[in-house]
Amino acid sequence: AQKVTQAQTEISVVEKEDVTLDCVYETRDTTYYLFWYKQPPSGELVFLIRRNSFDEQNEISGRYSWNFQKSTSSFNFTITASQVVDSAVYFCAPGDGNKLVFGAGTILRVKS
Amino acid sequence: EPEVTQTPSHQVTQMGQEVILRCVPISNHLYFYWYRQILGQKVEFLVSFYNNEISEKSEIFDDQFSVERPDGSNFTLKIRSTKLEDSAMYFCASSESTQYFGPGTRLLVL
Repeated sequence: AQKVTQAQTEISVVEKEDVTLDCVYETRDTTYYLFWYKQPPSGELVFLIRRNSFDEQNEISGRYSWNFQKSTSSFNFTITASQVVDSAVYFCAPGDGNKLVFGAGTILRVKS
Repeated sequence: EPEVTQTPSHQVTQMGQEVILRCVPISNHLYFYWYRQILGQKVEFLVSFYNNEISEKSEIFDDQFSVERPDGSNFTLKIRSTKLEDSAMYFCASSESTQYFGPGTRLLVL
């Protein structure tokens, strides 16, 4: 069974600031997947990234980057030069191939 | 780009009534899921479905809930006798490996 902790309930930043969203997970599985989803105010769940547990390479996609540290069971998400459109709830979610276990989410507010 | 669709977008029902929420997964996906999100809370797994049977279900998914793939394209969630606490956003998802979510159905039980 998986468990995930997103300790930051809410973060407020000013546009163009960098922001890091933390995610710490627990799992007994040796192979698993880690995901981040974004939920904008309109309510849909938007896939951002999928990472396999055996691939610890960090990833960058435009202004987004992810830092996977298996030793500390963390999968943190950084937005560089934040924009107002980044305002949303961000969910980290480990998965076992059958279901996703969502964290409580971090509300990100980006002010202009 | 293919996407998961859900109907209706909103549904209001009376307590005790049956509701059916409909989903059309992405066409080449084989795995299907339902999740729910009570207002202001986290997204919770309900059930996963593969090869015409339930793969896994959560404690929430009791006898009042059922899922069906009635044809080659639709995937439905039925709640037989709705309760007030069933009020939530219900998300359908489908996957080959990554789960893609539909826009959700907001269910309000009065």
